Formats: sequence, C-alpha cells, structure tokens
Amino acid sequence: DTEVTQTPKHLVMGMTNKKSLKCEQHMGHRAMYWYKQKAKKPPELMFVYSYEKLSINESVPSRFSPECPNSSLLNLHLHALQPEDSALYLCASSPRPRQTSSTDTQYFGPGTRLTVL
Amino acid sequence: QKEVEQDPGPLSVPEGAIVSLNCTYSNSAFQYFMWYRQYSRKGPELLMYTYSSGNKEDGRFTAQVDKSSKYISLFIRDSQPSDSATYLCAMSVQETSGSRLTFGEGTQLTVNP
Repeated sequence: DTEVTQTPKHLVMGMTNKKSLKCEQHMGHRAMYWYKQKAKKPPELMFVYSYEKLSINESVPSRFSPECPNSSLLNLHLHALQPEDSALYLCASSPRPRQTSSTDTQYFGPGTRLTVL
Repeated sequence: QKEVEQDPGPLSVPEGAIVSLNCTYSNSAFQYFMWYRQYSRKGPELLMYTYSSGNKEDGRFTAQVDKSSKYISLFIRDSQPSDSATYLCAMSVQETSGSRLTFGEGTQLTVNP
C-alpha cells in the first residue's frame, strides 16, 4: 500500500480564520513532507519531519505551523493567511532509511486545494 | 541557471505515438532520479525511479539516465489518451535531514485519440 491520505480535499477560509490540514500514511515511513504547489508550477518544499522531528523549514512564514504528533500523522496549522497562499498543499512521505545509500523515494498524497478569501 | 531544466511543452501527440520527455541537470551530486505523473488537480504519482546510469523498464514506460551527460529521459510507448498529464522529473541527494527533491518545471502532455 503506497497511499498517503489528506483531508480535507478542498478548503475555503477567510484571512482571519484558523484551520488545519491533515495527512496520514500507514506505510511505516519515517519522513513526512509538506509542499505548496501553485498552478503550472512544480511543488515547493515547505517542511520536512524526519523521525518525528522538524528537520527542514524552508523559511516558511509563521502563519504556517507544522506538527507531527506521531510517525503516521502530519498536520499543517493555518492562521491569518493571505490570498496569495491559495494553492494546492501536498503531503508526501518517504521511508527515510538510516543508510543514505538506500532509496528514499517520496510518495505524494492527493493534496488539499486551499482558497483564501 | 536552474539546477534542473525541463521543457514545459505543451506536447501534443496522436494516440499510439512514442513520447520522449527529457530533463537536464547541473548538480553532479544528484543520486536518485524520479519521474512523477500529475493529473490536473491531483497529487503527483510516482512512475519510475532510478539510481544508476542506464535504462529501467516498466510496462510501456522506460526511464533512462546518463550521468556522464547529466541527462534523463522518460519514454512512453504506445501512448494512450489516459497518459495525458503533466510529467515532472525530480532528482535528489540524500541528506541526514531527509531527501530533498529538486523538480523540473514539468512537461504538459496531451495524447489525442
């Protein structure tokens, strides 16, 4: 099973709202990722959790707050977003083997389409 | 200059054609090479991944890596309308903090019935 699930599929929120995106995988992967994708552009990395610890933060504004409650779950908390934050938000996971010589292929979820009004 | 260059297309071919999608890269540290297919408004789906130079085949798809030329390709044989999607090449260097993917811009492919 190579499935990453994301909820909700669609989200519309105002600039003063607080909402959360959720991601789940049951492949035993130990790295999880958040990406942002604008139309006709490739995904842009936002955050990486490796063994439940935040290992990469690509200088993302603080209105985006990631959380990794356990090895299967990843959340992205949203607060005071701007209209330009409207995008497809993708979650991915990878095995994250201890040996860097082993393949660490990322598998993506279907995404949450976010619209900020 | 971008680390990974990919012709964005669009590319339009008749059903049954052989499709060739290509990426070039400049970072010789890249170790893993992947092709993802992304349908409109969906997440990227992993098609192929390769580690070494050479060819890897999976059904109608063949991934080719030439590390000496820093060039990768994806060939689709007997293309079908269902292959119409954006194809993203991606490359990575494994770091202690996790694998960081560098994507090409994606090539939009349309296969016409």
